[in-house]
Amino acid sequence: GESVGLHLPTLSVQEGDNSIINCAYSNSASDYFIWYKQESGKGPQFIIDIRSNMDKRQGQRVTVLLNKTVKHLSLQIAATQPGDSAVYFCAEKETSYGKLTFGQGTILTVHP
Amino acid sequence: NAGVMQNPRHLVRRRGQEARLRCSPMKGHSHVYWYRQLPEEGLKFMVYLQKENIIDESGMPKERFSAEFPKEGPSILRIQQVVRGDSAAYFCASSLLAGEGLGETQYFGPGTRLLVL
Repeated sequence: GESVGLHLPTLSVQEGDNSIINCAYSNSASDYFIWYKQESGKGPQFIIDIRSNMDKRQGQRVTVLLNKTVKHLSLQIAATQPGDSAVYFCAEKETSYGKLTFGQGTILTVHP
Repeated sequence: NAGVMQNPRHLVRRRGQEARLRCSPMKGHSHVYWYRQLPEEGLKFMVYLQKENIIDESGMPKERFSAEFPKEGPSILRIQQVVRGDSAAYFCASSLLAGEGLGETQYFGPGTRLLVL
């Protein structure tokens, strides 16, 4: 089936920099998108979500942008901290219920 | 408010044995999802259950795998006659609702890491 993919498998930044993690999706019928953070040995942790009728949504230090024209999703992290180091996954909901399709993940490494 | 709980956290089985993975959803959540994650890969959907019902099992292998979510007690993912290829992390998620709107966010448990020797 259609899948969600990520442009960059790894991203290294300095503490205090802003980080941008990108994601491409292929199913135009998807109406809900989520970013998860996964630390080593733990389960995915919800960061932020966005519905398809929105272009942008902001949280605490994080912003998600959705560009439906090019089917692109991005996660922006402001003032990145070492504690932000993790694997970040985007996921899309393609069905009327909650089945999620995950991308392969981007490894974010923040250097002090 | 306790999050999603899974046990055991680690499970070692020999080929041919059975593995039983348990998931207790967040309080008040009646929608449960199981996902499998292979090393350095994203999560793959396996099955979606509501109380006493399997709604979508399209991601679950037809042989050896089964899931249930009884009226009382945790959701169980059961793998019979395990093989080495079953080694993976199995995550459970729960949500308050399944459709659009507030409450559809899936919250994940810490996972069960299954190792088949």
